[in-house]
Amino acid sequence: QQPVQSPQAVILREGEDAVINCSSSKALYSVHWYRQKHGEAPVFLMILLKGGEQKGHEKISASFNEKKQQSSLYLTASQLSYSGTYFCGTEVGYTGFQKLVFGTGTRLLVSP
Amino acid sequence: EAGVAQSPRYKIIEKRQSVAFWCNPISGHATLYWYQQILGQGPKLLIQFQNNGVVDDSQLPKDRFSAERLKGVDSTLKIQPAKLEDSAVYLCASRDPGETQYFGPGTRLLVL
Repeated sequence: QQPVQSPQAVILREGEDAVINCSSSKALYSVHWYRQKHGEAPVFLMILLKGGEQKGHEKISASFNEKKQQSSLYLTASQLSYSGTYFCGTEVGYTGFQKLVFGTGTRLLVSP
Repeated sequence: EAGVAQSPRYKIIEKRQSVAFWCNPISGHATLYWYQQILGQGPKLLIQFQNNGVVDDSQLPKDRFSAERLKGVDSTLKIQPAKLEDSAVYLCASRDPGETQYFGPGTRLLVL
Protein backbone atom coordinates (compact mmCIF):
# COMPACT_ATOMS: atom_id res chain seq x y z
CA GLN A 1 0.00 0.00 0.00
CA GLN A 2 1.11 3.51 -0.82
CA PRO A 3 2.59 5.46 2.12
CA VAL A 4 0.91 8.76 2.97
CA GLN A 5 2.92 11.96 3.13
CA SER A 6 2.08 15.16 4.97
CA PRO A 7 1.77 17.99 4.41
CA GLN A 8 0.77 17.86 0.75
CA ALA A 9 2.39 21.22 0.14
CA VAL A 10 4.39 23.81 2.05
CA ILE A 11 5.69 27.26 1.27
CA LEU A 12 8.75 28.59 3.08
CA ARG A 13 10.87 31.68 3.04
CA GLU A 14 14.59 31.12 2.56
CA GLY A 15 16.19 30.18 5.86
CA GLU A 16 13.08 28.67 7.44
CA ASP A 17 12.73 25.05 8.50
CA ALA A 18 10.30 22.35 7.40
CA VAL A 19 9.36 18.81 8.34
CA ILE A 20 7.90 16.30 5.88
CA ASN A 21 6.30 13.14 7.21
CA CYS A 22 5.82 9.71 5.65
CA SER A 23 3.50 7.16 7.22
CA SER A 24 2.95 3.53 6.28
CA SER A 25 0.31 1.01 7.29
CA LYS A 26 2.89 -1.79 7.13
CA ALA A 27 6.06 -2.59 9.05
CA LEU A 28 9.00 -1.08 7.23
CA TYR A 29 12.51 -2.34 6.54
CA SER A 30 13.78 0.91 5.08
CA VAL A 31 12.72 4.38 3.99
CA HIS A 32 14.30 6.24 1.07
CA TRP A 33 13.84 9.95 0.47
CA TYR A 34 14.02 11.62 -2.94
CA ARG A 35 13.57 15.17 -4.26
CA GLN A 36 12.20 15.78 -7.74
CA LYS A 37 12.32 19.10 -9.53
CA HIS A 38 9.85 19.88 -12.27
CA GLY A 39 10.65 17.99 -15.44
CA GLU A 40 13.55 16.12 -13.88
CA ALA A 41 14.13 12.66 -12.41
CA PRO A 42 13.92 12.02 -8.67
CA VAL A 43 17.27 12.54 -6.94
CA PHE A 44 18.30 10.40 -3.98
CA LEU A 45 18.62 12.24 -0.66
CA MET A 46 18.73 9.73 2.15
CA ILE A 47 18.15 6.15 3.15
CA LEU A 48 17.12 5.05 6.64
CA LEU A 49 17.37 1.41 7.57
CA LYS A 50 15.69 -0.61 10.29
CA GLY A 51 18.06 -0.59 13.22
CA GLY A 52 19.06 3.02 12.91
CA GLU A 53 21.57 3.16 10.08
CA GLN A 54 21.36 6.28 7.89
CA LYS A 55 23.13 7.24 4.69
CA GLY A 56 22.71 10.39 2.70
CA HIS A 57 22.81 14.11 2.31
CA GLU A 58 24.94 16.16 4.70
CA LYS A 59 22.54 19.10 5.10
CA ILE A 60 19.35 17.12 5.39
CA SER A 61 18.44 14.91 8.30
CA ALA A 62 15.71 12.37 8.84
CA SER A 63 14.29 10.06 11.45
CA PHE A 64 12.74 6.61 11.26
CA ASN A 65 10.33 5.41 13.93
CA GLU A 66 10.06 1.69 13.29
CA LYS A 67 7.31 1.14 15.86
CA LYS A 68 5.07 3.83 14.40
CA GLN A 69 6.03 2.93 10.81
CA GLN A 70 6.83 6.57 10.17
CA SER A 71 9.70 8.64 8.86
CA SER A 72 10.27 12.38 8.92
CA LEU A 73 12.56 14.50 6.76
CA TYR A 74 13.96 17.66 8.35
CA LEU A 75 14.95 20.55 6.12
CA THR A 76 16.76 23.22 8.12
CA ALA A 77 17.78 26.68 7.00
CA SER A 78 16.07 26.06 3.67
CA GLN A 79 17.65 27.28 0.45
CA LEU A 80 16.01 28.16 -2.84
CA SER A 81 17.46 24.97 -4.29
CA TYR A 82 15.36 22.91 -1.87
CA SER A 83 12.22 23.65 -3.89
CA GLY A 84 10.68 20.60 -5.49
CA THR A 85 8.51 17.62 -4.71
CA TYR A 86 9.71 15.25 -2.01
CA PHE A 87 8.85 11.55 -2.14
CA CYS A 88 9.43 8.83 0.39
CA GLY A 89 9.93 5.32 -0.89
CA THR A 90 9.23 2.53 1.55
CA GLU A 91 10.52 -1.03 1.56
CA VAL A 92 8.43 -3.61 3.37
CA GLY A 93 10.59 -6.47 4.59
CA TYR A 94 13.96 -7.49 3.23
CA THR A 95 13.80 -10.03 0.43
CA GLY A 96 17.12 -9.33 -1.22
CA PHE A 97 15.26 -7.67 -4.08
CA GLN A 98 14.69 -4.08 -3.04
CA LYS A 99 11.23 -2.90 -4.02
CA LEU A 100 10.15 0.63 -3.13
CA VAL A 101 6.59 1.90 -2.94
CA PHE A 102 6.57 5.66 -3.31
CA GLY A 103 4.42 8.05 -1.30
CA THR A 104 1.95 10.67 -2.41
CA GLY A 105 4.55 13.43 -2.50
CA THR A 106 5.02 16.79 -0.75
CA ARG A 107 5.47 19.95 -2.79
CA LEU A 108 7.93 22.41 -1.25
CA LEU A 109 8.39 25.97 -2.48
CA VAL A 110 11.13 28.12 -1.00
CA SER A 111 10.84 31.80 -1.79
CA PRO A 112 13.47 34.55 -1.37
CA GLU B 1 30.43 7.64 -12.88
CA ALA B 2 27.87 7.87 -15.66
CA GLY B 3 24.22 7.86 -14.60
CA VAL B 4 21.22 5.96 -15.89
CA ALA B 5 20.64 6.77 -19.56
CA GLN B 6 17.23 6.79 -21.24
CA SER B 7 15.96 7.55 -24.70
CA PRO B 8 14.04 9.10 -26.20
CA ARG B 9 13.43 11.99 -23.81
CA TYR B 10 10.09 12.89 -25.37
CA LYS B 11 7.59 11.00 -27.52
CA ILE B 12 4.23 11.97 -28.93
CA ILE B 13 2.08 9.26 -30.52
CA GLU B 14 -1.55 8.68 -31.37
CA LYS B 15 -3.65 6.16 -29.50
CA ARG B 16 -3.37 2.58 -30.76
CA GLN B 17 0.16 3.20 -31.99
CA SER B 18 3.14 1.42 -30.47
CA VAL B 19 6.15 2.94 -28.73
CA ALA B 20 9.40 1.70 -27.21
CA PHE B 21 11.70 3.15 -24.59
CA TRP B 22 15.32 2.28 -23.94
CA CYS B 23 17.33 2.28 -20.73
CA ASN B 24 21.00 1.75 -19.97
CA PRO B 25 21.64 1.37 -16.23
CA ILE B 26 24.68 2.41 -14.25
CA SER B 27 27.54 0.02 -14.90
CA GLY B 28 27.55 -2.88 -12.47
CA HIS B 29 23.98 -2.45 -11.27
CA ALA B 30 22.27 -5.82 -11.48
CA THR B 31 18.80 -4.56 -10.56
CA LEU B 32 16.82 -2.46 -13.02
CA TYR B 33 13.37 -0.94 -12.60
CA TRP B 34 10.78 0.66 -14.86
CA TYR B 35 8.35 3.10 -13.27
CA GLN B 36 5.37 5.01 -14.58
CA GLN B 37 4.85 8.48 -13.12
CA ILE B 38 1.60 10.24 -13.86
CA LEU B 39 1.58 14.01 -13.37
CA GLY B 40 1.25 14.91 -9.69
CA GLN B 41 1.81 11.38 -8.41
CA GLY B 42 4.70 9.32 -7.13
CA PRO B 43 6.48 6.78 -9.34
CA LYS B 44 4.64 3.47 -9.69
CA LEU B 45 6.68 0.32 -10.26
CA LEU B 46 5.89 -1.49 -13.50
CA ILE B 47 8.60 -4.14 -13.62
CA GLN B 48 11.78 -5.10 -11.78
CA PHE B 49 14.67 -7.10 -13.24
CA GLN B 50 17.52 -8.84 -11.45
CA ASN B 51 20.16 -9.33 -14.16
CA ASN B 52 18.03 -10.54 -17.09
CA GLY B 53 15.33 -12.20 -14.97
CA VAL B 54 12.01 -10.66 -13.93
CA VAL B 55 11.61 -10.28 -10.15
CA ASP B 56 8.29 -8.45 -10.08
CA ASP B 57 5.90 -7.53 -12.86
CA SER B 58 2.70 -7.63 -10.85
CA GLN B 59 1.66 -4.10 -11.85
CA LEU B 60 2.61 -4.32 -15.50
CA PRO B 61 -0.47 -4.25 -17.79
CA LYS B 62 0.65 -7.31 -19.69
CA ASP B 63 -2.03 -7.04 -22.37
CA ARG B 64 -0.27 -3.97 -23.76
CA PHE B 65 3.06 -3.51 -21.97
CA SER B 66 6.15 -5.67 -22.36
CA ALA B 67 9.73 -5.34 -21.21
CA GLU B 68 12.94 -7.21 -21.67
CA ARG B 69 16.49 -7.01 -20.46
CA LEU B 70 18.64 -9.06 -22.74
CA LYS B 71 22.18 -9.87 -21.54
CA GLY B 72 21.37 -8.32 -18.16
CA VAL B 73 22.35 -4.77 -19.12
CA ASP B 74 20.16 -2.59 -21.38
CA SER B 75 16.40 -2.81 -21.18
CA THR B 76 13.48 -1.85 -23.40
CA LEU B 77 9.88 -1.15 -22.41
CA LYS B 78 7.22 -1.37 -25.10
CA ILE B 79 3.59 -0.29 -25.21
CA GLN B 80 1.38 -1.75 -27.93
CA PRO B 81 -1.24 -0.44 -28.49
CA ALA B 82 -1.05 2.81 -26.51
CA LYS B 83 -4.07 4.31 -24.76
CA LEU B 84 -4.69 7.90 -23.71
CA GLU B 85 -4.16 6.96 -20.04
CA ASP B 86 -0.61 5.83 -20.82
CA SER B 87 0.45 9.47 -21.04
CA ALA B 88 3.06 9.77 -18.31
CA VAL B 89 6.77 9.91 -17.61
CA TYR B 90 8.47 6.53 -17.80
CA LEU B 91 11.42 6.35 -15.45
CA CYS B 92 14.16 3.77 -15.44
CA ALA B 93 16.21 3.21 -12.29
CA SER B 94 19.05 0.95 -11.30
CA ARG B 95 20.21 -0.09 -7.89
CA ASP B 96 23.60 0.20 -6.29
CA PRO B 97 24.01 -3.09 -4.35
CA GLY B 98 23.28 -2.44 -0.70
CA GLU B 99 22.28 1.15 -1.34
CA THR B 100 19.33 2.78 -3.11
CA GLN B 101 17.91 3.31 -6.55
CA TYR B 102 19.21 5.92 -8.98
CA PHE B 103 16.84 7.25 -11.61
CA GLY B 104 17.38 8.17 -15.22
CA PRO B 105 16.02 11.42 -16.75
CA GLY B 106 12.83 9.71 -17.92
CA THR B 107 10.84 9.63 -21.14
CA ARG B 108 7.81 11.89 -21.37
CA LEU B 109 5.07 10.17 -23.36
CA LEU B 110 2.03 11.97 -24.69
CA VAL B 111 -0.70 9.86 -26.28
CA LEU B 112 -3.16 11.84 -28.42
